[in-house]
Amino acid sequence: QKEVEQDPGPLSVPEGAIVSLNCTYSNSAFQYFMWYRQYSRKGPELLMYTYSSGNKEDGRFTAQVDKSSKYISLFIRDSQPSDSATYLCAMNVFSSGSARQLTFGSGTQLTVLP
Amino acid sequence: NAGVTQTPKFRILKIGQSMTLQCTQDMNHNYMYWYRQDPGMGLKLIYYSVGAGITDKGEVPNGYNVSRSTTEDFPLRLELAAPSQTSVYFCASSLGTSPAEQYFGPGTRLTVT
Repeated sequence: QKEVEQDPGPLSVPEGAIVSLNCTYSNSAFQYFMWYRQYSRKGPELLMYTYSSGNKEDGRFTAQVDKSSKYISLFIRDSQPSDSATYLCAMNVFSSGSARQLTFGSGTQLTVLP
Repeated sequence: NAGVTQTPKFRILKIGQSMTLQCTQDMNHNYMYWYRQDPGMGLKLIYYSVGAGITDKGEVPNGYNVSRSTTEDFPLRLELAAPSQTSVYFCASSLGTSPAEQYFGPGTRLTVT
């Protein structure tokens, strides 16, 4: 079993729809949870991160973490064609001696149709 | 700031050839990483470094080598290229303090034939 599971999609939605992207994980030591966006033929860019359980909102994006269920989500409101990209979840363990390695999901490919 | 830069953008290698992928960051980050990304497979860590002179293996180090002589540069060396090394290679860097979000370069597309 992979440490982080992510539905690869592809996911196709009409412009203006609410999008829900999800990851599940097995390592209960994970404490920081991140979402990266990767446009075609580009490097991943950090969208947002959260620490432990709860919600975090940034404009049209909301990240949600449920540590009891080992489940994280990214919601995109009023989706735009410019949101079309692959979304990767990533997480790591807080440890003063670690190399701060991130464990990534395999990514969900999203297309927002105009 | 340019962030993380990588060269070359594209390269085609013949089986058995060698090459070095260059990575430079100007954010004064201590931590640097090399990943490979295969279609539908996410990012796999090849090597990482926690500072100049210190490197360590990641999940898939076989066939690769790295060095870190300065804070800014973290080159990845491929020796005796094989078709299985056809991939997109990303370099990343981070401060190292939590949450340790990583900043990625634009990638190098490598084909080995």
